[in-house]
Amino acid sequence: DGGITQSPKYLFRKEGQNVTLSCEQNLNHDAMYWYRQDPGQGLRLIYYSQIVNDFQKGDIAEGYSVSREKKESFPLTVTSAQKNPTAFYLCASSIPAGGVHEQYFGPGTRLTVT
Amino acid sequence: AQSVTQPDIHITVSEGASLELRCNYSYGATPYLFWYVQSPGQGLQLLLKYFSGDTLVQGIKGFEAEFKRSQSSFNLRKPSVHWSDAAEYFCAVGDASGGSYIPTFGRGTSLIVHP
Repeated sequence: DGGITQSPKYLFRKEGQNVTLSCEQNLNHDAMYWYRQDPGQGLRLIYYSQIVNDFQKGDIAEGYSVSREKKESFPLTVTSAQKNPTAFYLCASSIPAGGVHEQYFGPGTRLTVT
Repeated sequence: AQSVTQPDIHITVSEGASLELRCNYSYGATPYLFWYVQSPGQGLQLLLKYFSGDTLVQGIKGFEAEFKRSQSSFNLRKPSVHWSDAAEYFCAVGDASGGSYIPTFGRGTSLIVHP
């Protein structure tokens, strides 16, 4: 079955440590995204990539980094510079649908930093 | 710039009752509209979408939504709610004419279903 895989589902880290969240898709989509979700705030875009070896900052990129070395993979690193990293992180991929991309989401990773 | 407002943070309905979740947006000339559902601790699932054509859109799980340009609304409806519909619902809008191909999401409405 085609889809988006995020691992792990739950992740715990100590403050000051970098942590990398995995996102893999086998939908053959060109574009991929990372969102952060906090209660009552909806989805906020962290980074997105339209094509391999290229990515752009979203609305809240500070303290995060990404890479896009393969079409299928778009890992997100939460660095120690991120002031409040505890959140639910969602990865998505998309296909163009007219002029706007129709997004498909993974199951999410809940990161807890103490 | 495009924006989305979901005015209701929480909605409570009884099982079997009808449901309407509100979504208002601002956009350029060509809105693309989506409704997603999210169960607790899960990702988002696309319920339905509107790009053009018939303003009443049918989706999965018995949901429908109506695009009303004059009211800048895209409200989600279901005639009879099931307990399994309890979840968070997100409206999203994209505006291709404005170059914003990535949808903007509302803050979500939490649906509570009473037996």
